[in-house]
Amino acid sequence: SQQGEEDPQALSIQEGENATMNCSYKTSINNLQWYRQNSGRGLVHLILIRSNEREKHSGRLRVTLDTSKKSSSLLITASRAADTASYFCATDGNAGNMLTFGGGTRLMVKP
Amino acid sequence: NAGVTQTPKFQVLKTGQSMTLQCAQDMNHEYMSWYRQDPGMGLRLIHYSVGAGITDQGEVPNGYNVSRSTTEDFPLRLLSAAPSQTSVYFCASSYPRFGERNEQFFGPGTRLTVL
Repeated sequence: SQQGEEDPQALSIQEGENATMNCSYKTSINNLQWYRQNSGRGLVHLILIRSNEREKHSGRLRVTLDTSKKSSSLLITASRAADTASYFCATDGNAGNMLTFGGGTRLMVKP
Repeated sequence: NAGVTQTPKFQVLKTGQSMTLQCAQDMNHEYMSWYRQDPGMGLRLIHYSVGAGITDQGEVPNGYNVSRSTTEDFPLRLLSAAPSQTSVYFCASSYPRFGERNEQFFGPGTRLTVL
């Protein structure tokens, strides 16, 4: 079973708009990570937020974590066509050495 | 650094055939993992290793074997291929961090079709 579930499953926006993706999970975690996957490629790590952190920034990315609601959000500001990809959250916690991935959000940014 | 490399990139098998998917990393990472990705399912962990000589099962280990004789290599063996194993397979590696998993570095994937 998947620990993380992303919402929405698909998102289409215009270049320059902000994109927000959400991730919910079921059990306690050590950290939560976001990855990007371009079509036909491997996953690339974007950002890691630990359970004692509430918000983290990296360039145009902003990640929040609410452990009381067991949810996280990824915000991409001023989106670009190159941001078109699938985005996955992954949680580390319930099984020690396992990182559990959600089903992903497919983001399309139209030029 | 080449990072994480996987071979082959594409493979077609007939039901019942066996094969080995190769994975190597040159970053001296202790942790290595194998995932499969099916449409709409995200990634599911097959097997993982926390160091040479140590392996363990993930979420979907049936039909697969692994071994870790060196830090660099982590091959995945399909014992008797079945159509349900048609998928994209990703290998990943990471540095160890006490008590939690660190960011993972992924290979480009192997697209496997079982007829």
